[in-house]
Amino acid sequence: DTGVSQDPRHKITKRGQNVTFRCDPISEHNRLYWYRQTLGQGPEFLTYFQNEAQLEKSRLLSDRFSAERPKGSFSTLEIQRTEQGDSAMYLCASIDGGYNEQFFGPGTRLTVL
Amino acid sequence: AQRVTQPEKLLSVFKGAPVELKCNYSYSGSPELFWYVQYSRQRLQLLLRHISRESIKGFTADLNKGETSFHLKKPFAQEEDSAMYYCALNFGNEKLTFGTGTRLTIIP
Repeated sequence: DTGVSQDPRHKITKRGQNVTFRCDPISEHNRLYWYRQTLGQGPEFLTYFQNEAQLEKSRLLSDRFSAERPKGSFSTLEIQRTEQGDSAMYLCASIDGGYNEQFFGPGTRLTVL
Repeated sequence: AQRVTQPEKLLSVFKGAPVELKCNYSYSGSPELFWYVQYSRQRLQLLLRHISRESIKGFTADLNKGETSFHLKKPFAQEEDSAMYYCALNFGNEKLTFGTGTRLTIIP
């Protein structure tokens, strides 16, 4: 499968724990986006990368959230001291440098107990 | 600030009947709009975008700047059209703002 992949697909954690998600974009895509989707809502933009540079972060991304893309390939999203309100589907998407389709991964569903 | 509104959370249509999924937007810039679809147990995927003016799987959508709308239409619904549909707005650098989605169910 040459599409966007995300790992893990599901994560259950206790409040206060740290979690980290990984996204592997399509190999030639230099832009990578993270979105969060809660129940009954559409995906909401969190942050995006152009190669390894994080170019923008939404105000939704509190200080407990950090994202990296160290070599311009895969990306990680870490949530520290998780709260129940962090329970959501976390989606990753990638796009190449030109004007083109944004490809989404299957998402990581986080449940914070 | 940009906003996308999909007024219908649920829409049921008989097979063979016309379908219209509504989308309205507010954006101070030049709008670039998309429809994404998510079939059961599949990932979100692009259905169509306004600048290409394509017809995909029989669906079309026309950008109406006067009414700030981008409604999705299909003249004859098919059972395989049952899915979740999201309207989305590019608010710069391909960052997307999505509506809350409409779940379309085609009744056989």
